[in-house]
Amino acid sequence: GENVEQHPSTLSVQEGDSAVIKCTYSDSASNYFPWYKQELGKRPQLIIDIRSNVGEKKDQRIAVTLNKTAKHFSLHITETQPEDSAVYFCAATGGSYIPTFGRGTSLIVHP
Amino acid sequence: GAVVSQHPSWVICKSGTSVKIECRSLDFQATTMFWYRQFPKQSLMLMATSNEGSKATYEQGVEKDKFLINHASLTLSTLTVTSAHPEDSSFYICSAWTGGLEKLFFGSGTQLSVL
Repeated sequence: GENVEQHPSTLSVQEGDSAVIKCTYSDSASNYFPWYKQELGKRPQLIIDIRSNVGEKKDQRIAVTLNKTAKHFSLHITETQPEDSAVYFCAATGGSYIPTFGRGTSLIVHP
Repeated sequence: GAVVSQHPSWVICKSGTSVKIECRSLDFQATTMFWYRQFPKQSLMLMATSNEGSKATYEQGVEKDKFLINHASLTLSTLTVTSAHPEDSSFYICSAWTGGLEKLFFGSGTQLSVL
């Protein structure tokens, strides 16, 4: 089955800095890679996603890059704000349509 | 984005009782829904895949007789925790693919506390 590794587990940045979270996956058949933001006690919210026919996607301060050859994808957040503090999960989905999630990254943005 | 509704948000029950959690897709039909369990500061652990009109597919180690899943319609899946015990206390959350398996959205989660 699919295996998704996510790093780092904790990321602490100053407000205004950039934050990068990286994920690797094992199944070359995976073709959909969403990112979720989860605040304490709440549901994971889809913030951005990318499919295997695209290398990069951007939405305001958030961007995701995908390298299918190396089987890794990354989330980039620029100009971080305190409200960006949360746990971020990456996921990879292949032909089974069952998403496999990374372990999560706790992002802390210090004002 | 699409809306997935989950009820109740939290429930406290006595050991030995059963608890039913509902997951509804409000503005789309969901042939497949997923049920997860999440412990504090940990990732989402897939319990089972709920398929409309057929039996759920459980992940290894998940007791199908304890966690009953029913997906009777294209907009509703239920998870029943039978004979709950304190070790079943956890955050349970569902998710559903939108039409055409485009995107995956989550319900709001249910915090279960078994006394």
